[in-house]
Amino acid sequence: GDSVTQMEGPVTLSEEAFLTINCTYTATGYPSLFWYVQYPGEGLQLLLKATKADDKGSNKGFEATYRKETTSFHLEKGSVQVSDSAVYFCALSGAGSGGYQKVTFGTGTKLQVIP
Amino acid sequence: GAVVSQHPSWVICKSGTSVKIECRSLDFQATTMFWYRQFPKQSLMLMATSNEGSKATYEQGVEKDKFLINHASLTLSTLTVTSAHPEDSSFYICSAPGTSGRESYEQYFGPGTRLTVT
Repeated sequence: GDSVTQMEGPVTLSEEAFLTINCTYTATGYPSLFWYVQYPGEGLQLLLKATKADDKGSNKGFEATYRKETTSFHLEKGSVQVSDSAVYFCALSGAGSGGYQKVTFGTGTKLQVIP
Repeated sequence: GAVVSQHPSWVICKSGTSVKIECRSLDFQATTMFWYRQFPKQSLMLMATSNEGSKATYEQGVEKDKFLINHASLTLSTLTVTSAHPEDSSFYICSAPGTSGRESYEQYFGPGTRLTVT
């Protein structure tokens, strides 16, 4: 079945540091790939997405490129802020039974940015 | 964008009682909704798929009689945790796929409901 593997956290960075959170996936067919962010005490918010190979999703300074050859979708940001502290989930959307799109999540990576 | 709401956002109940959690799509119709459970510091685990007008589809290992799902309308799905016990304490999140027309649908997530069973 489909699976998503992302780097374990927590990741602690100083403000303005460069961020990379690795994510690789296993799936049949051509899934869509997502990064979701969960701030403390809140639900999931879509951060960015890519629906086909070589697509680059970007939002709020974060970006990730859909790499089919390496089955990866690494999240990057050039300069993190304290407000970026959250848990980041890599996910893929693939076909489920009945025709709906089933989302498979990675285990999440907690990011803590210190001033 | 599409909005999914959940109610309540936080509930505390006594062991042995039942709790109902509502998931609503506010500005779009959702024939399918998903229910997830998130344990502390862990990822989301898909519990079941709620289908409007038909029975829910449960993931392996999820007790159907424990977690009752009803999808009575195109905008409302409910999850009832029956005879709740402390081990049912968790963060429950629902989601609904957005509009079709693309190869892959975007999922819209509710804000979650934190259940604490004492």
